[in-house]
Amino acid sequence: AQTVTQSQPEMSVQEAETVTLSCTYDTSESDYYLFWYKQPPSRQMILVIRQEAYKQQNATENRFSVNFQKAAKSFSLKISDSQLGDAAMYFCAYRSPTGANSKLTFGKGITLSVRP
Amino acid sequence: KAGVTQTPRYLIKTRGQQVTLSCSPISGHRSVSWYQQTPGQGLQFLFEYFSETQRNKGNFPGRFSGRQFSNSRSEMNVSTLELGDSALYLCASSSGLRTSGDGDTQYFGPGTRLTVL
Repeated sequence: AQTVTQSQPEMSVQEAETVTLSCTYDTSESDYYLFWYKQPPSRQMILVIRQEAYKQQNATENRFSVNFQKAAKSFSLKISDSQLGDAAMYFCAYRSPTGANSKLTFGKGITLSVRP
Repeated sequence: KAGVTQTPRYLIKTRGQQVTLSCSPISGHRSVSWYQQTPGQGLQFLFEYFSETQRNKGNFPGRFSGRQFSNSRSEMNVSTLELGDSALYLCASSSGLRTSGDGDTQYFGPGTRLTVL
């Protein structure tokens, strides 16, 4: 079974600075997807970024980028120019390719606070 | 496109009762997955429905059941409620197809907050 580990329960960043959230996972599969989701205090889970394991290029979405290290099974999220609206809980998630085992497996999450 | 909608947003029930939660996926999506979120256990997968068939199931007791209709809307039912069932129940929709352009990404609804007294 796949597992996802987010070892830092909380992090804090100064507004306009850069922060990196860590995530590691364990799997025996070679093809899979990795995600970062954001859950603000309003509770709506929002997709931040997606990475396909077969792509070597790291995904980027505006101020959000990932450092995907397949051999190390590491998938960190970098937030540049942090904004107050980035304050939320962030979940790293793993998913097998679509089919009988295509559920999302989540880490425990990390609470990010942004200091003005 | 409208997002995933869930009704009701809040529910208060007592032990022993049953409850039905509803989820309407994004238009065109054929897969609906359900997750339970609690402070202690985090996010746990309940089940996934694709084209009216349960395609995947998590490790929850048989009191938790679901179904999907021909329009892809899904319902989740919990019978004989227990205090430990108090949680945020999240529904997520996706195309259900690996060939979809977004890698079959799951998009979440706002959730239903269930409180069992």
